[in-house]
Amino acid sequence: NAGVTQTPKFRILKIGQSMTLQCTQDMNHNYMYWYRQDPGMGLKLIYYSVGAGITDKGEVPNGYNVSRSTTEDFPLRLELAAPSQTSVYFCASSGTEYSNQPQHFGDGTRLSIL
Amino acid sequence: DAKTTQPPSMDCAEGRAANLPCNHSTISGNEYVYWYRQIHSQGPQYIIHGLKNNETNEMASLIITEDRKSSTLILPHATLRDTAVYYCIVRVATSGSRLTFGEGTQLTVNP
Repeated sequence: NAGVTQTPKFRILKIGQSMTLQCTQDMNHNYMYWYRQDPGMGLKLIYYSVGAGITDKGEVPNGYNVSRSTTEDFPLRLELAAPSQTSVYFCASSGTEYSNQPQHFGDGTRLSIL
Repeated sequence: DAKTTQPPSMDCAEGRAANLPCNHSTISGNEYVYWYRQIHSQGPQYIIHGLKNNETNEMASLIITEDRKSSTLILPHATLRDTAVYYCIVRVATSGSRLTFGEGTQLTVNP
């Protein structure tokens, strides 16, 4: 059972570079989320999506962009990497049948901006 | 979403029950209580959730007080692999509602 898959697992970027963090899920979930977690802190929501073609901002969206062209994929784009974006990024998804269903998380992408 | 308060850390002996408290005194009637845990360097893992009745699954039990202002997560027989940060989250059950993670409780299970 794959669940939520994130790639890459680790990445080092230089300031000003861009990259896309990939997230895919095989559970046919409509809802998908991107969180970031700074050292010793809880998770903060960056963006979320309630279905293909629909995205919305979370608590900390600045410096990021997302798209949702398919149900399975929800990539997160960093256009101009900054040291403040050094963090662990988690993607999550949840089902559609009941709105109180739990979120399932990937194993994270550890990103360092130098 | 209602704010939650958890102790920053707890210890438990292996094989004993771990009881993790959570205070959510401002919870509203349509908010569920969720528990997740995060083992070091891994993504958060869902444990259990409930609205007002006590719940049990293969991982844990959730006890919610009658006034719903607090709850307790019970791991009946803690193992070393249960060492993790445990997050108590209250969340409105509406479409696309997000999880708001606080600081959580660092549970350390000792041999």
